[in-house]
Amino acid sequence: QKEVEQNSGPLSVPEGAIASLNCTYSDRGSQSFFWYRQYSGKSPELIMFIYSNGDKEDGRFTAQLNKASQYVSLLIRDSQPSDSATYLCAVPDRGSTLGRLYFGRGTQLTVWP
Amino acid sequence: DAGVTQSPTHLIKTRGQQVTLRCSPKSGHDTVSWYQQALGQGPQFIFQYYEEEERQRGNFPDRFSGHQFPNYSSELNVNALLLGDSALYLCASSLGASPEAFFGQGTRLTVV
Repeated sequence: QKEVEQNSGPLSVPEGAIASLNCTYSDRGSQSFFWYRQYSGKSPELIMFIYSNGDKEDGRFTAQLNKASQYVSLLIRDSQPSDSATYLCAVPDRGSTLGRLYFGRGTQLTVWP
Repeated sequence: DAGVTQSPTHLIKTRGQQVTLRCSPKSGHDTVSWYQQALGQGPQFIFQYYEEEERQRGNFPDRFSGHQFPNYSSELNVNALLLGDSALYLCASSLGASPEAFFGQGTRLTVV
């Protein structure tokens, strides 16, 4: 059973600040990592994925991966109130031939104006 | 391009009853996974269907069963409902072995 750990928060930042969301995982052999955003009462929406060590940037979002430390993070620059949501970290099951995902509990982010 | 669609969106059932939830995958996708998300928790994997067969199953009892049809759509059936089955049920579709999954809007099941 894989473990995916996230600080459940809540994390509260002012508008325009950088929000930093963290995730650790137990399987050292994991190769890919996904970040989903989930608004209250809605379904998860894929916003970022990362396969390689280092940083991956997409607009205001940056995913950072450190496989040696088994740590993946999501940075949101210039945070907006519309970014207020729960952010889920997900790791695929490396042992299966199909893409089962293991999710963390999610970190609730609030961006206040 | 139609995304993943689920029906119904909300459902209220009585303890002991049976329920069927439905999912149509994103166009071009052939793999359907079902997840249960309790309040304040991350989604938990129930099972996955590919080529009309259950390929992988999470830690859920046999009361949870499913089916995939030739057009790749899928059903999730839950028998003998318990209060603890109240949750958001999410369908995710993907293509083959790709872990990149897209979720439907979910079905909110309430068991009373």
